Amino acid sequence: GEDVEQSLFLSVREGDSSVINCTYTDSSSTYLYWYKQEPGAGLQLLTYIFSNMDMKQDQRLTVLLNKKDKHLSLRIADTQTGDSAIYFCAETGDYKLSFGAGTTVTVRA
Amino acid sequence: DVKVTQSSRYLVKRTGEKVFLECVQDMDHENMFWYRQDPGLGLRLIYFSYDVKMKEKGDIPEGYSVSREKKERFSLILESASTNQTSMYLCASSHGTSGAGEQFFGPGTRLTVL
Repeated sequence: GEDVEQSLFLSVREGDSSVINCTYTDSSSTYLYWYKQEPGAGLQLLTYIFSNMDMKQDQRLTVLLNKKDKHLSLRIADTQTGDSAIYFCAETGDYKLSFGAGTTVTVRA
Repeated sequence: DVKVTQSSRYLVKRTGEKVFLECVQDMDHENMFWYRQDPGLGLRLIYFSYDVKMKEKGDIPEGYSVSREKKERFSLILESASTNQTSMYLCASSHGTSGAGEQFFGPGTRLTVL
């Protein structure tokens, strides 16, 4: 999606925190989502945040939303090898989601 | 366990062939979607459907058509396959008549057009 932008690659050491950033354009988006795609699989919803929230925490995942700057981030604490995947942020529109290009996260030992 | 299934994981077709990609969901979802996924471009929406026999064009509908005769099944048709349609095709479904909601994805079909 040209309206949702993410950096394409992130390399992180096992045990460190990962931060994946995303910018979006539709200020009317009700929800913003993070999806995860493991190798050879479809996408799975990882977490989401309602647009009137600033932060949401779910175990090792923290989502931060800056509505003024239209900036969304996903922080993964204590990154594990199983976190190696492509991460997509997405914003809602009528009936459909607009996805970013995806950030490939590689976890190195 | 909720499920979206796609008829093939891998498919190889020749230029000019008619190609059918099938998707079935067992969650009684109203909305169904077809995307293609290409490196560096992410997911791009081809077509979606919010009800039986209803369809709407997505961002890149050219060269594709769709069919939704039953609520659980959404088919993507390539009338005359071309090499630039070589891609990963992902089907998804979601509940609800307003907003995108959480989408559930199938495993994808990797189509190669020779």
